[in-house]
Amino acid sequence: DAGITQSPRHKVTETGTPVTLRCHQTENHRYMYWYRQDPGHGLRLIHYSYGVKDTDKGEVSDGYSVSRSKTEDFLLTLESATSSQTSVYFCAISDRGEGGLGNTIYFGEGSWLTVV
Amino acid sequence: GDSVTQMEGPVTLSEEAFLTINCTYTATGYPSLFWYVQYPGEGLQLLLKATKADDKGSNKGFEATYRKETTSFHLEKGSVQVSDSAVYFCAIQNQAGTALIFGKGTTLSVSS
Repeated sequence: DAGITQSPRHKVTETGTPVTLRCHQTENHRYMYWYRQDPGHGLRLIHYSYGVKDTDKGEVSDGYSVSRSKTEDFLLTLESATSSQTSVYFCAISDRGEGGLGNTIYFGEGSWLTVV
Repeated sequence: GDSVTQMEGPVTLSEEAFLTINCTYTATGYPSLFWYVQYPGEGLQLLLKATKADDKGSNKGFEATYRKETTSFHLEKGSVQVSDSAVYFCAIQNQAGTALIFGKGTTLSVSS
C-alpha cells in the first residue's frame, strides 16, 4: 500500500467554520491531489500540487484552498464550510517520472466530512 | 473537455457469471486509461491500466483493452466472485498528464 495518511478520517463541523484536512505521504512523490467523491458524480478533482508551493486548480476548486510547504504534506482548507461541501475527500499521490504519462495515482483511505 | 462515460449501475450478478462494464471516453489525443476499484469504506485501488492503443491491462482475472477506434476501455471478467462486489471506476489521464478524470462509477453486486 502507498504510504498515504489522511487526517482526520471523520469530521462533523458547522456551517461557516473553517476546516483543514491533511494528507501526509511517505513516498516522496512529486504530485499530490485532492478529490471529492459524491453520489452520481464519481470523483472530481479539487486541487493538485506538482511540487512544494506549486499548486493548480481542478474541476471543483471554488470554496477550497490548498497549501504544500513540504513534499510530504498537502493541506486542503475549506475557509467557510457549507453543506454542499459535505463529501468524502480523497488525497492521492503520483510520481510521473520519465515520460510522464501513464503513471499510477495512489489514493488514501478518505476523509468523511459532514457540514451541518 | 475530456470526459469519461461508464455504464450506470447497479450491476447485479450471480457468482460465476460473466461481467462487462462499459467505458467510453472523449479526449484529445491518446490518453492513458485506467480502471480503479473501491471496496466499501475504502479508498480507490488501481485494478489495471493501458497506456497505448491495443494494450490489454489485466489483473485478478479482470481485463480491459484500449480500443482507439471506438474510444473504449470496457472491463470484463469471465467468472465473478462475491468478493468482487465493489464500485468500479473508469478513468483517463488528462491531456497535460497531471491528473485523472473519472467516470461516475458502477456498483457491482455479486450474490452466491
